Amino acid sequence: DTEVTQTPKHLVMGMTNKKSLKCEQHMGHRAMYWYKQKAKKPPELMFVYSYEKLSINESVPSRFSPECPNSSLLNLHLHALQPEDSALYLCASSQWAPGTGELFFGEGSRLTVL
Amino acid sequence: KNEVEQSPQNLTAQEGEFITINCSYSVGISALHWLQQHPGGGIVSLFMLSSGKKKHGRLIATINIQEKHSSLHITASHPRDSAVYICAVSAGSARQLTFGSGTQLTVLP
Repeated sequence: DTEVTQTPKHLVMGMTNKKSLKCEQHMGHRAMYWYKQKAKKPPELMFVYSYEKLSINESVPSRFSPECPNSSLLNLHLHALQPEDSALYLCASSQWAPGTGELFFGEGSRLTVL
Repeated sequence: KNEVEQSPQNLTAQEGEFITINCSYSVGISALHWLQQHPGGGIVSLFMLSSGKKKHGRLIATINIQEKHSSLHITASHPRDSAVYICAVSAGSARQLTFGSGTQLTVLP
């Protein structure tokens, strides 16, 4: 299994809603990442988890809250988002420490905030 | 100035043509990645290389560390190769990757 699985694929939410994005990998990877990608732009790093601990938060607003319940699962909790947060959210994993090794990406969750 | 520059930004080719996408970077790196992103959004890692050349099917990636330059070649291009190709470098930091702005490739039948 060389897949990173993201759900849901599409999400529409209002500014007052609370929702979550989920990412799962069963490759035994110990580093997991959340990226945000706007149209026609490269991905922007949001968070890095290393061995289930948050190691990098790229000054992301607190309305985005990451969680790593176990080594296979990464969540991104969303609350009180703004329309400008509409984007493709990509999860990725790599085998060992962040900054090393090949990255495996999921298909992304396309978020629309109304 | 972006640390990773790709060219061209857009490329249209006829099916069967040989395609080259270039990537130049200005920082010391531990590895360079070539990624492919289809319109649906998902990103696929094509190559990770730190020296020399790698080949996978019709795709070839080369890197010249001294010149800080890499190329991605596609032989016998096909419409299914149409995608955005992204060059990214890792400098060994936990932030993992610095991305280029991507090359939109369209292969016409």
